[in-house]
Amino acid sequence: AQTVTQSQPEMSVQEAETVTLSCTYDTSESNYYLFWYKQPPSRQMILVIRQEAYKQQNATENRFSVNFQKAAKSFSLKISDSQLGDTAMYFCAFMKHGTSGSRLTFGEGTQLTVNP
Amino acid sequence: GAVVSQHPSWVICKSGTSVKIECRSLDFQATTMFWYRQFPKQSLMLMATSNEGSKATYEQGVEKDKFLINHASLTLSTLTVTSAHPEDSSFYICSAPPAGEIYEQYFGPGTRLTVT
Repeated sequence: AQTVTQSQPEMSVQEAETVTLSCTYDTSESNYYLFWYKQPPSRQMILVIRQEAYKQQNATENRFSVNFQKAAKSFSLKISDSQLGDTAMYFCAFMKHGTSGSRLTFGEGTQLTVNP
Repeated sequence: GAVVSQHPSWVICKSGTSVKIECRSLDFQATTMFWYRQFPKQSLMLMATSNEGSKATYEQGVEKDKFLINHASLTLSTLTVTSAHPEDSSFYICSAPPAGEIYEQYFGPGTRLTVT
């Protein structure tokens, strides 16, 4: 079974600054996907970024980037130039590589607050 | 991106009654849909995997007779909470991967259930 751990229940950052959210995971799988999802106060889950484990290059999406360390089973999310709209709960998630319809395993979440 | 809807968005019911929650994929087909439960400030916990045309697969500890799942078509899954009690009050979220997609999943906006 896979486990995902987010050790920071809450974090805060000043607007325009950079913040890094931590995530570690445990798996015996060699091929998998990792995700960061954002859940704002509306509670709609929004995909922030995805990383395929077989890719060594870290994924980036505009102000969002990850630091994927496969050997260490670490997958942190860096948010640059933080904006007020980034305030949300952030979940790290794991998915085994396989056929369509694989399940997601979520971490506990990190509540990020961006202060003006 | 693809859209998943849930209905209702908020429901209040009396203890002992049943309530049905619908999850629809609006512009794609989904042979599998996932049902999650989320308590305030907590992570998403997978309850069950809904499979079109066959029985749902329930996670350990989830009562299959209490949480009835029906996936009658490639665009609709329903979760019925039977004989609801106040402890069933929670936020219920569905997600659906488009048929044939390996890692894409789209989340519904969630349903807030309050049992009085």
